[in-house]
Amino acid sequence: GDSVTQMEGPVTLSEEAFLTINCTYTATGYPSLFWYVQYPGEGLQLLLKATKADDKGSNKGFEATYRKETTSFHLEKGSVQVSDSAVYFCALIKPMDSNYQLIWGAGTKLIIKP
Amino acid sequence: NAGVTQTPKFRILKIGQSMTLQCTQDMNHNYMYWYRQDPGMGLKLIYYSVGAGITDKGEVPNGYNVSRSTTEDFPLRLELAAPSQTSVYFCASEQNTEAFFGQGTRLTVV
Repeated sequence: GDSVTQMEGPVTLSEEAFLTINCTYTATGYPSLFWYVQYPGEGLQLLLKATKADDKGSNKGFEATYRKETTSFHLEKGSVQVSDSAVYFCALIKPMDSNYQLIWGAGTKLIIKP
Repeated sequence: NAGVTQTPKFRILKIGQSMTLQCTQDMNHNYMYWYRQDPGMGLKLIYYSVGAGITDKGEVPNGYNVSRSTTEDFPLRLELAAPSQTSVYFCASEQNTEAFFGQGTRLTVV
């Protein structure tokens, strides 16, 4: 079945460091891919998305490129801030699938130290 | 612009008690979901609904029930609370592949 695999956390970085959180997926067809962020004590919110191969989603300095050849959607940011500390979830959805629901990765906790 | 609203935010139940977690959305979304999130873990789908009057089981439905009498409301019912149901519960609605989450309900069963 369809699945999403994320790198295990926590990931601990110093402020202004470069961030990569790996995400790979297994799915038939042409899924859309997402990154959601969960700040402490809050629900998840959409960070960015890409709906087809080679699309790049971006928001708040974060980027991810939909790579169909490697079935990946890695999240990157050039210079992280303490305020980026959160849990990041990779997810996929197949809009034409009859079971129309998001498939979630396990989440990666990011800790940024000043 | 309320979005998805969950109540209560916190609750402590005794084993065997029952309760209903309320969820309402004002965006007229057809798709709604209930998830649980255990400490350090990802989201597990409990139940979902594709529209009023239609519900279906997710990955972990045992011990829960739902109803969807209106587009806006999607309550989650726990009939006989068990310690294994201690978790944070999130309700979400979805439109055009974007999901919108409530703030969550932190439930402890003792």
